[in-house]
Amino acid sequence: NAGVMQNPRHLVRRRGQEARLRCSPMKGHSHVYWYRQLPEEGLKFMVYLQKENIIDESGMPKERFSAEFPKEGPSILRIQQVVRGDSAAYFCASSPPRTAGNTIYFGEGSWLTVV
Amino acid sequence: GIQVEQSPPDLILQEGANSTLRCNFSDSVNNLQWFHQNPWGQLINLFYIPSGTKQNGRLSATTVATERYSLLYISSSQTTDSGVYFCAVKGGGADGLTFGKGTHLIIQP
Repeated sequence: NAGVMQNPRHLVRRRGQEARLRCSPMKGHSHVYWYRQLPEEGLKFMVYLQKENIIDESGMPKERFSAEFPKEGPSILRIQQVVRGDSAAYFCASSPPRTAGNTIYFGEGSWLTVV
Repeated sequence: GIQVEQSPPDLILQEGANSTLRCNFSDSVNNLQWFHQNPWGQLINLFYIPSGTKQNGRLSATTVATERYSLLYISSSQTTDSGVYFCAVKGGGADGLTFGKGTHLIIQP
């Protein structure tokens, strides 16, 4: 049973370009979360999605960031017009359909560097 | 939102030593997990432990939910234990885990 798969592992973008990060949840998991980790800091929650629905995007910056989890295919975190401050590790996590208390499993992360 | 504090922030030990890492949280939780982030950045699940005690090899964890803290014990440390240990919690109506700032552990040979 493959774990949470993220790609690309490393991405370099010039300021103003777009970055797309992909996440395939574990088999049987229908809940996806995105987190951001700035250098020397803990992870910060960004968004929680189920298939075709954004459930909670309270941690997403208001501009330039968007996320989707379509009926078919991976979840995508999209960052438009990247700036240097977007350089960070972006982690995706997944969990089974929500029951009381479930382990959340993390992918290996995507490291975005904006030059 | 819920606050998570981890201590100590940094810890340097010799190989073979034992250590205790602490996580305090400010409200009731229905999910508490300990993670190890290795020097390559990978985030590894250690324990899902909203309450009680669990053991896995040289690692064990205890959460006292009524007193709002959790402890991670590492015995007979090895150099491969080096990295950052994060505690993360979820409580109330929150959808995402709230992470502490981590304990940076260095095990010297």
